[in-house]
Amino acid sequence: DIQMTQSPSTLSASVGDRVTITCRASQSVSTWLAWYQQNPGKAPKLLIYKASTLETGVPSRFSGSGSGTDFTLTISGLQPDDFATYYCQQYSSYSSFGQGTKLEIK
Amino acid sequence: EVQLVDSGGGLVKPGESLRLSCAASGFSFSTYSMNWVRQAPGKGLEWVSSISGSSSYMYYADPVKGRFTISRDNAKNSLFLQMNSLRAEDTAVYYCARGRAGTTAVPDYWGQGTLVTVSS
Repeated sequence: DIQMTQSPSTLSASVGDRVTITCRASQSVSTWLAWYQQNPGKAPKLLIYKASTLETGVPSRFSGSGSGTDFTLTISGLQPDDFATYYCQQYSSYSSFGQGTKLEIK
Repeated sequence: EVQLVDSGGGLVKPGESLRLSCAASGFSFSTYSMNWVRQAPGKGLEWVSSISGSSSYMYYADPVKGRFTISRDNAKNSLFLQMNSLRAEDTAVYYCARGRAGTTAVPDYWGQGTLVTVSS
């Protein structure tokens, strides 16, 4: 099984900041990686797939990069709606999610 | 508009069974793979199972393999998850989710979730 590890687990930032979340796979997943945003009590929302492709309707302040085992999600110019929990997901071998990164208001 | 409505959750005892359903609308159901993803209270997301559009392929996470069965009825635009031999660790909100076109296990639309509680 492929294990996904996100860092940090919690991130404090302010509106307007640029933040980066990291996701590491236990073995190469090529670019078969997606990112999701989840607000409390809500279903997750797909942000990015194939490591760097923005889902339709997702603001361009979200970007993804990486390949192999190391990936990043960057949010440039944080907006109030962006404070949520973010998950990475590999879909190279079946599927598995990272443990999540909670983005909090500083 | 794509809509997924999950149902069937509830409180059951360890060892019992439960069948979850997901009613889909607003898209050509038979042409999309479908998934079940769960989230234990206060925890992260866990992929459970996937099924191809024609039911040719089904995949399961190790913790549920042999106990859960995914199925679909394309004539009724419905997805199911039969859960047998339930354990306390199966307690979670279960989401049905559509696989993004061209990818089986990248959910682009999600249901609202249905809570399964396994407790004596």
